Amino acid sequence: DQQVKQNSPSLSVQEGRISILNCDYTNSMFDYFLWYKKYPAEGPTFLISISSIKDKNEDGRFTVFLNKSAKHLSLHIVPSQPGDSAVYFCAASATSGNTPLVFGKGTRLSVIA
Amino acid sequence: KAGVTQTPRYLIKTRGQQVTLSCSPISGHRSVSWYQQTPGQGLQFLFEYFSETQRNKGNFPGRFSGRQFSNSRSEMNVSTLELGDSALYLCASSSGGGYYEQYFGPGTRLTVT
Repeated sequence: DQQVKQNSPSLSVQEGRISILNCDYTNSMFDYFLWYKKYPAEGPTFLISISSIKDKNEDGRFTVFLNKSAKHLSLHIVPSQPGDSAVYFCAASATSGNTPLVFGKGTRLSVIA
Repeated sequence: KAGVTQTPRYLIKTRGQQVTLSCSPISGHRSVSWYQQTPGQGLQFLFEYFSETQRNKGNFPGRFSGRQFSNSRSEMNVSTLELGDSALYLCASSSGGGYYEQYFGPGTRLTVT
């Protein structure tokens, strides 16, 4: 039973355009959400996070939007660059119980020059 | 500050053998978590150690075990290897303030033949 779902295994975007990566969750106890980026032969690196008390968090070219009623979050990358090509993982946590992060299966983003 | 290191980086084992993987966390970090990453399942939580005690455990069989030493270094052991254990095993460390402060190592790629 997948609690965090990334329904698009892959996404291709042209350089300079917007990349939108989506993530859905089912557990209403989740109150903290993170996005990680992973290059081949490297471990995931933290990208951006959002608490459930917010609906948007921005860091440079990266913005995460949270829609609690829909149990949906999205990561926007604007403008997309070839170096953004990687696998992106969405993760969620129920911070009150100090429960481990639950990850989605990832979306492979390819930014085409 | 040095990052999370994992050894070995690559390993080939035969079905039925056992294997031990090692993780050295960031200096000062007391929490070490282990994850299994496979193409079909994404990142799945194995277990977490904090101050030499297992604090959380994922849904994996008893063949998967771990431990943490007084210097916070951690080892993960898999006994009676199966073909399905072939995966990237990732270690992540944190200061203990929550799973959302994790830093990942590069992983150990285990291939079981």
